[in-house]
Amino acid sequence: AQTVTQSQPEMSVQEAETVTLSCTYDTSESNYYLFWYKQPPSRQMILVIRQEAYKQQNATENRFSVNFQKAAKSFSLKISDSQLGDTAMYFCAFIEGWGKLQFGAGTQVVVTP
Amino acid sequence: GAVVSQHPSWVICKSGTSVKIECRSLDFQATTMFWYRQFPKQSLMLMATSNEGSKATYEQGVEKDKFLINHASLTLSTLTVTSAHPEDSSFYICSASRTSGAGDTQYFGPGTRLTVL
Repeated sequence: AQTVTQSQPEMSVQEAETVTLSCTYDTSESNYYLFWYKQPPSRQMILVIRQEAYKQQNATENRFSVNFQKAAKSFSLKISDSQLGDTAMYFCAFIEGWGKLQFGAGTQVVVTP
Repeated sequence: GAVVSQHPSWVICKSGTSVKIECRSLDFQATTMFWYRQFPKQSLMLMATSNEGSKATYEQGVEKDKFLINHASLTLSTLTVTSAHPEDSSFYICSASRTSGAGDTQYFGPGTRLTVL
């Protein structure tokens, strides 16, 4: 069964606009961690943001922010003021305690001029 | 900080030969390293987890005799694809974490594209 679900295969956004990527996950644990990674055309995986489940405050990193809804098991990523360099595949990932990192299928984001 | 390198970035080999891929953590000590495989337009698939000085733990369906992993030091792990065949052609990515603690962030290498002729 898929533990991490990204329901949007591709999203297009214009420069300077905002785009939100959805991610849902499934767990019965209380101790877990969530991540967003981006993979640009170079294929280098880059950590965008990390969220600890025990923290209620949503993580932010410059133009990237998350909306962590623990009860709904939702972890969406908002990219503000989109730039051409944000064009990449974005993977939501999840790890329970000492378990292995599990990735969603990815969402391809294309930023257009 | 948290830079991971891989070498080579791409390699072409003949069927039946072995290929070694190196993964190094450049500015931190990596207690745990991971090896992933990624097919075009797909997500990452974990192949194995290795801790320094210990035998690697392989995921179900991954042949440990074909994909030899050695985590010889806190900064180096190697993946050797033995007797490579065209179906082994793929993009291999390593990652490293500072600890084996719960939820420790994994930092990824740039990947190695393997083509087996």
